Amino acid sequence: GEDVEQSLFLSVREGDSSVINCTYTDSSSTYLYWYKQEPGAGLQLLTYIFSNMDMKQDQRLTVLLNKKDKHLSLRIADTQTGDSAIYFCAGFIYGGSQGNLIFGKGTKLSVKP
Amino acid sequence: NAGVMQNPRHLVRRRGQEARLRCSPMKGHSHVYWYRQLPEEGLKFMVYLQKENIIDESGMPKERFSAEFPKEGPSILRIQQVVRGDSAAYFCASSRDSQNSPLHFGNGTRLTVT
Repeated sequence: GEDVEQSLFLSVREGDSSVINCTYTDSSSTYLYWYKQEPGAGLQLLTYIFSNMDMKQDQRLTVLLNKKDKHLSLRIADTQTGDSAIYFCAGFIYGGSQGNLIFGKGTKLSVKP
Repeated sequence: NAGVMQNPRHLVRRRGQEARLRCSPMKGHSHVYWYRQLPEEGLKFMVYLQKENIIDESGMPKERFSAEFPKEGPSILRIQQVVRGDSAAYFCASSRDSQNSPLHFGNGTRLTVT
């Protein structure tokens, strides 16, 4: 199976919270990352969490890490139409090549007004 | 404070031609990575370089693809004799060091092979 898995689509209403989930098979990453990609653009580093942390909050963003279940989530509070994008989780995997950051296929977030 | 700069943004090549993609890392970053993104897919690692050295090229196709990061100037990803299957977005990223600092990505070069 894939090393990093994400659901492909999420649709929410403006003002609601969005929760994007990610599971991984293994990770030797010092950090686990969330990137945002808008249409036709590059990847913007949104936030990251150190692997010995359970939670990190950064304004409207909350990252939760459950190492036992190998589960990472990104919560966006008060979701806005400008949050519509594809969100990728990423991390290095145990035994993977140095520099080989493994990405999920991305979750496309659609925000309805 | 410029981020990772890639050029060109869009590149069109005919089958059999060569494509050269350039990447200037963020200031203070000495590690460069190249990734490829096919439509509706995540990013796939290609190669990791430091100045004048290829550290890991395990994601690079064995033929036609090469990368360099010279002492002076940008990193170059070179694709010789392009084929239609090379059409993709190619992203460069840089970091201050290896696994202990996050990767910052450029806006990519979108290669179209006709």
